[in-house]
Amino acid sequence: EAQVTQNPRYLITVTGKKLTVTCSQNMNHEYMSWYRQDPGLGLRQIYYSMNVEVTDKGDVPEGYKVSRKEKRNFPLILESPSPNQTSLYFCASSFLAGGPAPDTQYFGPGTRLTVL
Amino acid sequence: AQKITQTQPGMFVQEKEAVTLDCTYDTSDPSYGLFWYKQPSSGEMIFLIYQGSYDQQNATEGRYSLNFQKARKSANLVISASQLGDSAMYFCAMSYNQGGKLIFGQGTELSVKP
Repeated sequence: EAQVTQNPRYLITVTGKKLTVTCSQNMNHEYMSWYRQDPGLGLRQIYYSMNVEVTDKGDVPEGYKVSRKEKRNFPLILESPSPNQTSLYFCASSFLAGGPAPDTQYFGPGTRLTVL
Repeated sequence: AQKITQTQPGMFVQEKEAVTLDCTYDTSDPSYGLFWYKQPSSGEMIFLIYQGSYDQQNATEGRYSLNFQKARKSANLVISASQLGDSAMYFCAMSYNQGGKLIFGQGTELSVKP
């Protein structure tokens, strides 16, 4: 089944304790991205990657790191989480061109993070 | 700067009736894509429909159609024959920068009444 998976789905942690949220896709997509969703603000892009070893900042990158060592994986790293990073996080992936709906992004199930 | 605006925070529709969710956008990029996503209460983001900026015809997918008016920079979603399962949050989104960037509107919460 074609899908984007994220782990963990739920996480409660404390300020300053490094954490990683994993994201994996099995559709051979070049493009992957991370978003956070907060009430009243919609979804905002954190980082994205157009291909292996190519990453770029989105609109709200502060406090986050990413890496793209393999095409299928795009982990999100919070080196020193703070309470303002409490949010719902989505990973997404897409092809960059071609097909009837190019660059349509398919989303993972979401990770609900609480930082105390 | 690129921007997506959804002006309806919440809407109600009677079951089996049609409903239009509004979306306007702003971009100087000549090549862009417009999307609608559905987010039910369970939280996942479900892709509904896509419209490319160079597409001549409005996109349709089953009961969903996208009313694309390029000159007015609007991309409204029309849901025909609403069902109870259509109750959800709906997000309009736009891709630009050759697909590298995707921005979202703030969403419209649709409630379908029996």
